[in-house]
Amino acid sequence: QKEVEQNSGPLSVPEGAIASLNCTYSDRGSQSFFWYRQYSGKSPELIMFIYSNGDKEDGRFTAQLNKASQYVSLLIRDSQPSDSATYLCAVTGRRALTFGSGTRLQVQP
Amino acid sequence: NAGVMQNPRHLVRRRGQEARLRCSPMKGHSHVYWYRQLPEEGLKFMVYLQKENIIDESGMPKERFSAEFPKEGPSILRIQQVVRGDSAAYFCASSPQGGLYEQYFGPGTRLTVT
Repeated sequence: QKEVEQNSGPLSVPEGAIASLNCTYSDRGSQSFFWYRQYSGKSPELIMFIYSNGDKEDGRFTAQLNKASQYVSLLIRDSQPSDSATYLCAVTGRRALTFGSGTRLQVQP
Repeated sequence: NAGVMQNPRHLVRRRGQEARLRCSPMKGHSHVYWYRQLPEEGLKFMVYLQKENIIDESGMPKERFSAEFPKEGPSILRIQQVVRGDSAAYFCASSPQGGLYEQYFGPGTRLTVT
């Protein structure tokens, strides 16, 4: 079992729709959870971080955390073509971040 | 520029040569992490350093790879006697504190071994 699992996609949504990205993790001791966006050929860009169970909203982005289910999600409202990228879920491990392999999101104009 | 800086952005080395990758963390950040991303693969942790200390090198290959973060100057990731399999993007990230805090990534160094 991978430590952080994501569906590789591609996840295709029409412009203006809600994109829902999911992530599960194996280490119950993990305490911090992050979503990064990575455009092709570029470096990861931090979008959201969440530490507590529940929802955290920032603009069009909402991160959701359920520690009992070991599940983290990212919702992108009013998706735009510029949101097309790979979204990486990251979880704090013993010392550094453990990344999922990413979900590729395609927003169709 | 307040962001994480890495140089060079692109590096081409022939097999057997040495590669040196440099990273300057964000202002005020004293924790540096190196990650490697192979083509079409995810980010893999390599090493975590603070000034003059290696905190965790559990992700570093045992041979040919080394890292340092001296008291003055940037963090250096050094790869000796490079092989084709070392071709990848190497990213540096920095954090104001270790452990649970968010990390900010630099633009990366793309190493090509010919």
